[in-house]
Formats: sequence, C-alpha cells, structure tokens
Amino acid sequence: RKEVEQDPGPFNVPEGATVAFNCTYSNSASQSFFWYRQDCRKEPKLLMSVYSSGNEDGRFTAQLNRASQYISLLIRDSKLSDSATYLCVVNMDSNYQLIWGAGTKLIIKP
Amino acid sequence: DAGITQSPRYKITETGRQVTLMCHQTWSHSYMFWYRQDLGHGLRLIYYSAAADITDKGEVSDGYVVSRSKTENFPLTLESATRSQTSVYFCASSESVRRTNTGELFFGEGSRLTVL
Repeated sequence: RKEVEQDPGPFNVPEGATVAFNCTYSNSASQSFFWYRQDCRKEPKLLMSVYSSGNEDGRFTAQLNRASQYISLLIRDSKLSDSATYLCVVNMDSNYQLIWGAGTKLIIKP
Repeated sequence: DAGITQSPRYKITETGRQVTLMCHQTWSHSYMFWYRQDLGHGLRLIYYSAAADITDKGEVSDGYVVSRSKTENFPLTLESATRSQTSVYFCASSESVRRTNTGELFFGEGSRLTVL
C-alpha cells in the first residue's frame, strides 16, 4: 500500500460546478498536510495547508479527517484555470520528509 | 528576482554517461532538495541539503551524487546514467526546516532527462 494515495482521475467537470477529491495516508502519526497544484509540464506550487479544523481559501476548502486518515479538497464554482493536477502531500514527522501522492488530474470544461 | 533555476531544462544522454543537473537559487534558502517525478508516482526525494557542505540521502539516492559547496548551488550528478533514471527532476528550496514543515517548498521548472 502506498503511503499517500490519490485517485488519479481525470475528473472531468463543467465550469461552475463543485468538485471534491480525497487523499488517504497510511501513517497515523502524520503531522501536517498540504495540497499542491501542478500545471501540465510545470513545477508544483503550494495551494494550501490543511489544518485540523479545516480551512478555506476563497473557492478552495481543505478538510482533514484523522480518524479515517484522509484529507480532502473541495473546489467551488470551478474555473477553466483550475484545470491542473492536485498533489496531496503529507509530512510524516517533524523533519524535512514530505511524502507526495501521485496526484489527481482535474479538467474543467466550458 | 530569478528565484530558483535549473539547467539544462532538457537533456538526452546515453546509458553509462555522466550527467550533471544544475540548480541555483537566489533567495539564500538554507534547505535545498532534489526530487524525481515519474508517471504514477509522487515526487520522490533523491537528496537534500540543510546548508552548505551538509547533504543527506533521500528515498531514491542510489546512482546519484550531490554537492553543496555554496549555499546557492546544489548540483545533482548521475555518475553512470541508466534508462531507469529517465525522469523529470525538480530542484526545490525552503527557507528553514520550519518552513519545510509548513509545506512551503519552492520549485525550479524541472529538468527533463532522457537516457537512451
């Protein structure tokens, strides 16, 4: 079993819709969680951290469920520019070691 | 502000050849990282460095060598390239381990390496 798993997609979603995807992690001792965005053939960029109580940044909402060991990303009112691959990242402990999911590809259609 | 730059962006080489990928950052970040990204896999850490002259192995370090004589440079060398090292390589930097813990890695644009 992979340490961090994501549905690879692609998720094909019409513009304006709401889309959500999950990421599961295997190590219950994981400390911190993040979502990165990666455009086609580009470098990953931090989208948002995921806090225990859940957090929102504009149209994006991140949730953490420690009991079930997953994090989620919700995108409301999706835009064409949201088309990208979303990478789930988990920090297993207090050092540099970030564990990356393989990513979920999102395609927003007009 | 150039940020973090990688060179070459694209490289084709043959099995057995030595290849060096360069990474340069202008922020004076302490931490630097090399990752590889392959289809179906998440980013996998090759090497990281906490400061000049301090480096450590990551998850997939076999066949790779790094050095960090200056804070701003972190070259990655494939000593004898193999086909399995065909990949996209990303260099990243972070201000501090605390920043790393918050997930704030800043990436270069990547180096696409093909080993024939």
